[in-house]
Amino acid sequence: GENVEQHPSTLSVQEGDSAVIKCTYSDSASNYFPWYKQELGKRPQLIIDIRSNVGEKKDQRIAVTLNKTAKHFSLHITETQPEDSAVYFCAARGDTGRRALTFGSGTRLQVQP
Amino acid sequence: DAGVIQSPRHEVTEMGQEVTLRCKPISGHNSLFWYRQTMMRGLELLIYFNNNVPIDDSGMPEDRFSAKMPNASFSTLKIQPSEPRDSAVYFCASSRELMNTEAFFGQGTRLTVV
Repeated sequence: GENVEQHPSTLSVQEGDSAVIKCTYSDSASNYFPWYKQELGKRPQLIIDIRSNVGEKKDQRIAVTLNKTAKHFSLHITETQPEDSAVYFCAARGDTGRRALTFGSGTRLQVQP
Repeated sequence: DAGVIQSPRHEVTEMGQEVTLRCKPISGHNSLFWYRQTMMRGLELLIYFNNNVPIDDSGMPEDRFSAKMPNASFSTLKIQPSEPRDSAVYFCASSRELMNTEAFFGQGTRLTVV
């Protein structure tokens, strides 16, 4: 089945700096890659997603890149703000086998004011 | 739309007792997922349904766990008997289609088994 690895597990940046979180996946058939943000005590919420026919997607300060050949994808947050502090999860899903999201282990991002 | 609704929000029970967690997916969504979240194991998929039919229950940890979806607007996850190691936050999520669409999570049920 699918295996998703996520790095780093914790990340501390200064307000205004950029943050990058990286994930790799094992199933070459995976074609949908969402990123979720989870604030303390809250539910995971989608912040951006990318499908396999696209290499990059951007939404204001957030961007995701996908390299299907290398089977890795990354989340980029620019101009970080204290409210970006949360746990971020990457996930992957394919059209065959287990067709449900497999999540990475999460990255705790701390933005220092 | 109120989103995915789970109940109860918190449950404290004694070891050996039966626990039932409930989920109402977003209207019109035909896929429903149960996840368990712990510090040690992260977000684990337990089981998912498509059009009320269980598709993959390979994530269910033991026979003590069972899940049903009697209709498109209701699902339950039952643990009988419960054990302290079942303590976790259980999330239900739903999506419009099974593939390539966003999964919306409920608020979760925080289960504590003492």
